[in-house]
Amino acid sequence: QVQLTESGPGLVHPSETLSLTCTVSGFSLTGYSVYWVRQPSGKGLEWMGRMRYNGDTSYNSALKSRLSISRDTSKNQVFLKMNSLQTDDTGTYYCTRASFDYWGQGVMVTVSS
Amino acid sequence: DIQMTQSPSSMSASLGDRVTITCQASQDIGNNLIWFQQKPGKSPRPMIYYATNLANGVPSRFSGSRSGSDYSLTISSLESEDMADYHCLQYKQYPRTFGGGTKLELK
Repeated sequence: QVQLTESGPGLVHPSETLSLTCTVSGFSLTGYSVYWVRQPSGKGLEWMGRMRYNGDTSYNSALKSRLSISRDTSKNQVFLKMNSLQTDDTGTYYCTRASFDYWGQGVMVTVSS
Repeated sequence: DIQMTQSPSSMSASLGDRVTITCQASQDIGNNLIWFQQKPGKSPRPMIYYATNLANGVPSRFSGSRSGSDYSLTISSLESEDMADYHCLQYKQYPRTFGGGTKLELK
């Protein structure tokens, strides 16, 4: 069955880089696009960017200068890297299939010294 | 970017009430809108696709509609399990954009 699982560090220090992995099963990354979505604690959802099925990427313009999304199709993984983290980047980070029908459980990231 | 203005940001209602939540799009999005339900500690669940189409397994008391640039999610008779946050999202163009969310609580 279709599954997405996010993984990464729970704590990141200010100004450092966040690295997250989304491992998928039940579908191919060359057939489906994957999005990253985040949710600051107690707030709404924010679309961050996408890894298209053909390897193209696109980003939220507000995050574009700090964000990079890549993939390893042999490992069924999509990666998110975001630099210069600040406290307002604290929240839950999700990956989801582009049709929004399947989501990971989310990974909580805290930015704190 | 397309802005999605969602209202209200929070509301309280009684069991059996009819509840309506609205998102207004800053540009034409056709009907390219999804409504999500999100319960505490859980991932969002798609409830309605393409503004009016119920997702699989969603109770028929949920419905979606459109009037011009305003998109609405209606719960015809509120049940306790419907207490949650609701979000709209436009997928007409990139970047995808969400509304600010509505917290629905029991009165």
